[in-house]
Amino acid sequence: SYVLTQPPSVSVAPGKTATITCGGDNIGSKSVHWYQHKPGQAPVLVIYYDRDRPSGIPERFSGFNSGRTATLTISRVEGGDEADYFCQVWETSSDRYVFGPGTKVTVL
Amino acid sequence: QVQLVQSGVEVKKPGASVRVSCKASGYTFSDYYIHWVRQAPGQGLEWMGWIGPSSGATNYAHKFQGYVTMTRDTSVSSFFLELNSLKSDDTAVYYCARRGISGYFDYWGQGTLVTVSS
Repeated sequence: SYVLTQPPSVSVAPGKTATITCGGDNIGSKSVHWYQHKPGQAPVLVIYYDRDRPSGIPERFSGFNSGRTATLTISRVEGGDEADYFCQVWETSSDRYVFGPGTKVTVL
Repeated sequence: QVQLVQSGVEVKKPGASVRVSCKASGYTFSDYYIHWVRQAPGQGLEWMGWIGPSSGATNYAHKFQGYVTMTRDTSVSSFFLELNSLKSDDTAVYYCARRGISGYFDYWGQGTLVTVSS
């Protein structure tokens, strides 16, 4: 089955940029979606189709996907961005949905 | 607005069964598949499977085949997840999530904590 990899943690100072990677075999050929998950809350979709933002998600959140790595970038990081971030793909051939292990973003 | 409202906390003994509900509102019930995803303590998100709202067709992740059942009741716009023969490893927060147009989950329930302990 398809495997996604993410760094366990990323630390960033307020106002700076956080970059979260999601690795997978030829992931550039798939659509990658990203979720923000805070403790005790439901996950929130922040990026879909590699780079699109749902309504209500700030422009500070952006995505890119090419080759073996997809990337979620959070610009001008705020304290409220502290959360776990999960990438996810849909394996169309097998109709399976795969999540990455998650990256904990800590705002210093 | 779209809402998925789940049932409350469950505490079960090993070997028991549990049923979690997810009531949908704010959209056309028959238009979107519902998926179930769980998160065990300290772990990531794990996809469990989906159910079609009109046909009731299901597709379970290999790991859950044989001890998970997903159903729906169109009369009350609700979906249900049943797990049998519970083990301590099934202790987790269980989420229902609406699948968007293609492969992503655009709305999630608030989660239901299921604790399995003797």
